[in-house]
Amino acid sequence: DTAVSQTPKYLVTQMGNDKSIKCEQNLGHDTMYWYKQDSKKFLKIMFSYNNKELIINETVPNRFSPKSPDKAHLNLHINSLELGDSAVYFCASRLGQGTEAFFGQGTRLTVV
Amino acid sequence: SQQGEEDPQALSIQEGENATMNCSYKTSINNLQWYRQNSGRGLVHLILIRSNEREKHSGRLRVTLDTSKKSSSLLITASRAADTASYFCATTNNAGNMLTFGGGTRLMVKP
Repeated sequence: DTAVSQTPKYLVTQMGNDKSIKCEQNLGHDTMYWYKQDSKKFLKIMFSYNNKELIINETVPNRFSPKSPDKAHLNLHINSLELGDSAVYFCASRLGQGTEAFFGQGTRLTVV
Repeated sequence: SQQGEEDPQALSIQEGENATMNCSYKTSINNLQWYRQNSGRGLVHLILIRSNEREKHSGRLRVTLDTSKKSSSLLITASRAADTASYFCATTNNAGNMLTFGGGTRLMVKP
């Protein structure tokens, strides 16, 4: 059983399109994250979300919006895709601040 | 700005040698964690050290934490070719809602 699963694994799309990446965790965790990893492997936190609060990293363009239909899912919707959005996006979850995070396998987004 | 910064950015050693990676951070933390990432894969948790701990061991891994210097180190003893990966430190802030990663150290262990 996959603890944190993301779909799709690969996504190739044209500039200007709108796309979504889905994330599901079956661990019963309250906190979920989205990260962007660039070509230099630098991991940047985008969003932190828990049952009570969505924390938006102010450096993230408002073209990016997380959507959580329920506690086990945190999807990432991206509007008007740009070339610079090309990266690997990781979803992660954890039970609480004193615990480890579990990561999905990543979604490689390529904007052409 | 990035919370953690790792040093060195890249490290190449022979199998059997020890590998030491360092991490520095800027603000107060609740805990610090180390993760491993194999090429093309997600991150896997290795070890967590709390802000009131100074040293922790797990198998061939040894982690130290110096909160006065805002730094941590990860030591991998008797390295193996299979240890080749990128290693990241991550800090949890005191509010507990953020998990922020450093830039990573790319370790190559030559057989």
